[in-house]
Amino acid sequence: RKEVEQDPGPFNVPEGATVAFNCTYSNSASQSFFWYRQDCRKEPKLLMSVYSSGNEDGRFTAQLNRASQYISLLIRDSKLSDSATYLCVVSPFTGRRALTFGSGTRLQVQP
Amino acid sequence: GAGVSQSPSNKVTEKGKDVELRCDPISGHTALYWYRQSLGQGLEFLIYFQGNSAPDKSGLPSDRFSAERTGGSVSTLTIQRTQQEDSAVYLCASSLQAGDEQFFGPGTRLTVL
Repeated sequence: RKEVEQDPGPFNVPEGATVAFNCTYSNSASQSFFWYRQDCRKEPKLLMSVYSSGNEDGRFTAQLNRASQYISLLIRDSKLSDSATYLCVVSPFTGRRALTFGSGTRLQVQP
Repeated sequence: GAGVSQSPSNKVTEKGKDVELRCDPISGHTALYWYRQSLGQGLEFLIYFQGNSAPDKSGLPSDRFSAERTGGSVSTLTIQRTQQEDSAVYLCASSLQAGDEQFFGPGTRLTVL
């Protein structure tokens, strides 16, 4: 089983739609969680960290469910510029190793 | 401030040649990571440095791959006797401490003919 699993998509949605991605992780000791965004042929960039209480940044909301070991990302009022691959990222525990990246979920927002 | 830089941005080499890829992390970042990404694929972890030591080399695909980091700063990834399957984008990232947000460089696109 992969450490971090995501639906690869693609998710094709119209502008203005709300779209949600889920991600599951296998290591219950994981401590840090992030969503990264990667545009085509570009490097990944941090979108937002994910906190236990959930957090929101504009149109983006991230949730963490430790009991079920999944993380979600909700995008409201999708824009064309949101088209990208969204990477779910988990850290086993602070002070150890690299973050573990999921393979990503591709989002295509259509006019 | 300066971000993570990598050089060269593109490298074309012939099968069997050795290549060296360089990464300059953000100043003060103690952790440095190498990944590779084949076209349309996810990130594949290669190696992680904390300071100059590499506590996790588990991702290196074969003994043709090696990496070092000196002065707690610059890192070099070396691929010996390159094969066509080594063709990919090699990404370097750094973070203040392990487990923190990682900042990525623009990558080196390696093509092995």
